[in-house]
Amino acid sequence: DTEVTQTPKHLVMGMTNKKSLKCEQHMGHRAMYWYKQKAKKPPELMFVYSYEKLSINESVPSRFSPECPNSSLLNLHLHALQPEDSALYLCASSPWTSGSSYNEQFFGPGTRLTVL
Amino acid sequence: QQPVQSPQAVILREGEDAVINCSSSKALYSVHWYRQKHGEAPVFLMILLKGGEQKGHEKISASFNEKKQQSSLYLTASQLSYSGTYFCGTEVQGGSEKLVFGKGTKLTVNP
Repeated sequence: DTEVTQTPKHLVMGMTNKKSLKCEQHMGHRAMYWYKQKAKKPPELMFVYSYEKLSINESVPSRFSPECPNSSLLNLHLHALQPEDSALYLCASSPWTSGSSYNEQFFGPGTRLTVL
Repeated sequence: QQPVQSPQAVILREGEDAVINCSSSKALYSVHWYRQKHGEAPVFLMILLKGGEQKGHEKISASFNEKKQQSSLYLTASQLSYSGTYFCGTEVQGGSEKLVFGKGTKLTVNP
């Protein structure tokens, strides 16, 4: 299995809702990422997990809460979002090991989030 | 700091060549290249490391000038399937896992 899967594909939520995005990979990769991508913009890094521990948080508001239950799964919990949080949320994984040279990232298809 | 890509957009006829550039004001450890088609996920094309190592698809070629902190992606004999937005991502520290992407170059290949 050489892909990253994400569910749901589309999500519409109100500002008071709580929802979660899910990402899964079975490539044995040890680093997983959440990116936010607005239309016609590049992906912006939000969080990085390496070996199931949060290693990077790019000063993301607390209404986004990441979780890595195991090496194959990554969740993003959403609460009290704002309309400006509407975007494509991409998950990625890479075979990263400490000090390795090649850290190419494999992206999932994304979740298109709309906040009303 | 975000790398600068040029050109912002390019239109080709099938079979023509193109070069996409990526430059950084910071010393880089690696440069990654990805292609994203409309409505799809970015797809890995190439990674170039400081020191000359590189890994990527056979049909893609790229270079990394460490002195200038510049990378170029060479698309030769373009095909319709090459259309999409190309992003370079730069990493300033090895093993940092933090990629910063440029704004992208939109490539359109027409028949």
